[in-house]
Amino acid sequence: GDSVTQMEGPVTLSEEAFLTINCTYTATGYPSLFWYVQYPGEGLQLLLKATKADDKGSNKGFEATYRKETTSFHLEKGSVQVSDSAVYFCAPPLYSSASKIIFGSGTRLSIRP
Amino acid sequence: DGGITQSPKYLFRKEGQNVTLSCEQNLNHDAMYWYRQDPGQGLRLIYYSQIVNDFQKGDIAEGYSVSREKKESFPLTVTSAQKNPTAFYLCASSIHPPGELFFGEGSRLTVL
Repeated sequence: GDSVTQMEGPVTLSEEAFLTINCTYTATGYPSLFWYVQYPGEGLQLLLKATKADDKGSNKGFEATYRKETTSFHLEKGSVQVSDSAVYFCAPPLYSSASKIIFGSGTRLSIRP
Repeated sequence: DGGITQSPKYLFRKEGQNVTLSCEQNLNHDAMYWYRQDPGQGLRLIYYSQIVNDFQKGDIAEGYSVSREKKESFPLTVTSAQKNPTAFYLCASSIHPPGELFFGEGSRLTVL
């Protein structure tokens, strides 16, 4: 069946470090892929998305490339800031007959000044 | 502005009481969802609805109930049958079939 595997946290980095959070999926076909971010005490909000293979989504300095051959959608940022401290969720919309959207466990990121 | 509104933001309840969490959207989305989030955990799906007057159980529906009488509204009732209801509850909506999810700010329920 369809599934999501996301890098477990927590991840702690120093400011200006390079960030990678891994996400791989198994799904039927080639669905759109999404990264969401959750800041403390808030709901989730869309960070970026890619709608087809080889697409690169980007926002706020974050990037993720939809790689069909490795079924991956890893999140990257070249230089993280304290304000990036949050929980990040990889969420392909897994199209089943029930049309449920299944989230991974999320990765908690903490950035030290 | 279009969006999703959840209320209340904080709610306290005594054991044995039912409580209803409100979720309203003005995005004209067909699909709506309720998720539960426990501290340090990911999201678990409680119920979802693809269309008015229809809804399906998610992975952890026991002890919860929902209704979808209007497109804009998808209230969640946490019943006394839910043994561990203290959690952060998130409502979301999307077009159908699902694409991007739009989330509310969440409701934090604490059972005293």
